[in-house]
Parts: sequence; C-alpha cells; structure tokens
Amino acid sequence: DAKTTQPPSMDCAEGRAANLPCNHSTISGNEYVYWYRQIHSQGPQYIIHGLKNNETNEMASLIITEDRKSSTLILPHATLRDTAVYYCIVRGGGNSGNTPLVFGKGTRLSVIA
Amino acid sequence: KAGVTQTPRYLIKTRGQQVTLSCSPISGHRSVSWYQQTPGQGLQFLFEYFSETQRNKGNFPGRFSGRQFSNSRSEMNVSTLELGDSALYLCASSFGGSLYNEQFFGPGTRLTVL
Repeated sequence: DAKTTQPPSMDCAEGRAANLPCNHSTISGNEYVYWYRQIHSQGPQYIIHGLKNNETNEMASLIITEDRKSSTLILPHATLRDTAVYYCIVRGGGNSGNTPLVFGKGTRLSVIA
Repeated sequence: KAGVTQTPRYLIKTRGQQVTLSCSPISGHRSVSWYQQTPGQGLQFLFEYFSETQRNKGNFPGRFSGRQFSNSRSEMNVSTLELGDSALYLCASSFGGSLYNEQFFGPGTRLTVL
C-alpha cells in the first residue's frame, strides 16, 4: 500500500503557482520523497526527490517539513501542459537498492486557462 | 540521449494466448522495472531486473515472467492471457545503484485481451 496521502484533485489557474500537498506521516529516516507525474496515456515522468532538505530543479521545488511528515511540490508558473496526475511516493534509499515505486492514486491537477 | 523504448506500442490478443513485450533501457542503465497500469488497480509493480537477475518482485501470479539480457534490454512474458490482463504495461530504467534511483519510464505497451 502507498505510504502517502494526497488530495484527489486540484485546480490551478495558468501562470499561477501550483502547490500540491502530500502527507507521509509514517516516513522513516532513510526514506526519500519522490514526485512523478503522468500526463494522459503516457509513462510517468520523474520530477524531483528529496530526503530532508528542500530541493529545486528546472521543473519544480520540493518543500519538506522539518519533521518530514509532509511535503509540498511547487510548480512555480503552471501551464496547460502541466495538467496531469501527480504522484507523491515514499521510497527507501541508501543501500536498499532500487526499491520499487509504490504508486497511490495521486492528485489530478487541472491547469485552467 | 535516447529514452526508454518499448515495443510494440499496441497489441491485441485473445484469451489463452501468450505475449512477449520488449523494453530497451536508456544507455548505461542497468536496472529495468516493469509496471502494470489498469483503471481499477492503478500502477502496480511487477518485477525488477538488475544485471540479468531478478532483484525485486511484486505480487503477481507466475503467469507473469521476465528476463534481462546482457545488454540490459528486458522482456516480459504473460502466458495464458486473461481478460483482466488488459492494461498499459510500463517499463522503467535506472542506473540501479543507490545514488541514482530515479526511474525513467517508457511510453508503455497497451495490451488488449479479447
């Protein structure tokens, strides 16, 4: 079972920041938070991941709370092409190897013009 | 760098048949994972291969099997197809080491079982 809880859907106006929350209250010390998204009928796309520090890349920012029990994915300027299902995944790292991704139901983000 | 490729993209089979799907990972990636996506169950992990060995396995019946070749290309096979096997089958590749765990997905093979 997925270890995360996400709202089933969200809307965002085009050009505004999209803030997608994720709860992972049972996360353990060596588990990372990963975000993927899936645009309709395509394979999931990796967005970003982090352990405890905030992370930023060309696609998004990941804000993880100090207690690591929740996080927020931020798309700074959402476009229509960002409409997708966004998955927050908690996954073991370190020496546990390439542990499988356990997908929940994700958040369906609709960016509206 | 070329992405993950999967062949065929679409496939129609009938119940009782078997099917083989192919996945070519990103160059240099040694790990290949397979996932099944259906409207009812969502995305579910099937198995992972690393250096020609199955390293992880999901909760699927033995009709689902796979293998990996020395060039890291992978195939998965489903025998005695059932209607419920209709799904999008996704392949993902990664370096496989603990520091490079991002998985990059292919476009998938859409299998329809009639």
